[in-house]
This record gives sequence, C-alpha cells and structure tokens, in this order.
Amino acid sequence: QKEVEQNSGPLSVPEGAIASLNCTYSDRGSQSFFWYRQYSGKSPELIMFIYSNGDKEDGRFTAQLNKASQYVSLLIRDSQPSDSATYLCAVNQYGQNFVFGPGTRLSVLP
Amino acid sequence: GAVVSQHPSWVICKSGTSVKIECRSLDFQATTMFWYRQFPKQSLMLMATSNEGSKATYEQGVEKDKFLINHASLTLSTLTVTSAHPEDSSFYICSANIQGARGYTFGSGTRLTVV
Repeated sequence: QKEVEQNSGPLSVPEGAIASLNCTYSDRGSQSFFWYRQYSGKSPELIMFIYSNGDKEDGRFTAQLNKASQYVSLLIRDSQPSDSATYLCAVNQYGQNFVFGPGTRLSVLP
Repeated sequence: GAVVSQHPSWVICKSGTSVKIECRSLDFQATTMFWYRQFPKQSLMLMATSNEGSKATYEQGVEKDKFLINHASLTLSTLTVTSAHPEDSSFYICSANIQGARGYTFGSGTRLTVV
C-alpha cells in the first residue's frame, strides 16, 4: 500500500512568517513529487514539482526533497493571508497514478 | 498552458436520476484522464482511470455500473453517476497528465448534490 502522509493541521502562521509544510511517503520507488494548493470548494492547482534531491525555489516557494528520508517539504516565505488553503502533497512513479496525501490546512493570520 | 474544462460546475438532482459530467482537454490530447471524488475536509480519492478507446479502470470499491465512464475521443471523457443517491453527493474532479510527467492538471470540479 503506497502511502503519503501529511499533518492535517491547521497550521497557523502570522502574516510575513515562513510556513513549513511536510510530507512523507512510503514508496521508495517514487520519482516525482508535487505540491498542490486547494482553496475551499475549488480544484487543486499545481504550485511546484521536484524530482531531484535538494531544494528548488520558485518565487516565495521552496520545495525540498530528501529521498533517503522519504521526505518532501514546501516552504512559503513571507506568508500572506491569500496563502490560506489546503496544501496537497502528491507522489508518483513514471507511468503510474499519483498518490495524494490528505492535505495540510494552512491559515495565515493577518 | 494545458487546460482541462469540466462541466457543469455544480448540479442538483433528485435521488434516482442520473447525472453526466464532462471533462475536455482544450489544447492537448489526453489519452488518459482521471476521475476523483472528494468529500468535505478529505483528500482526493481516485475513482477510475479513463482510457481513450478502451474500458476504464476502476479503483477497488468503486462500482463500475454506477459510475459509467466514457472516453470516446482524445479530448473528452464523461462520468455518469447513475441512479444517484444522497451519499453520492460530493465534489467530482477530473484531471489529465500533461506530457512529460509535469504533473496533473485538474478540471474545475463539479459539486453534485443529490436531494
């Protein structure tokens, strides 16, 4: 059984702070890792993907991957109230279906 | 970028009736589309994988006779919820995998309410 785990939250951070979202996965054969943001009542939207160990930065977002520890994280710098949403971690192997984590609810307090 | 168009965005139907949800890839061809269901405050649960020109692959526990999937062309997949019941009320989302494994792109979702 392939599993992806996330803390359900809510994770509350003050505006301007760094939000750190974590995800662990069970399948060592996983090759690609994605972070999606989902606002209430809306579909998920892709924020970032990462394939290689290390950090990948895109604007205020940084994805971090450690395959040895089977761990992927998302850092959001200078958090804004508009970042308040549920963040879904997704993992897959090429040619196979995605496995989604349960999501972490982030609340950025003004 | 790749866009998946899903319709309707919301629908209310009476118990026992059927509802069809359409998912179209607008600027790319999708040989495979995925159908998810999401209950409130829960994550996405894959229901089935829709394959163009062949039968859909259903996840364990999903009734294929209740959730009919048709993928007759490279740009259109449909999900029909037959004989809907209140417990089928949920948020249904389709998605397609963009070439190069750059993740899934999702349709806007359909909020189904069965009364």
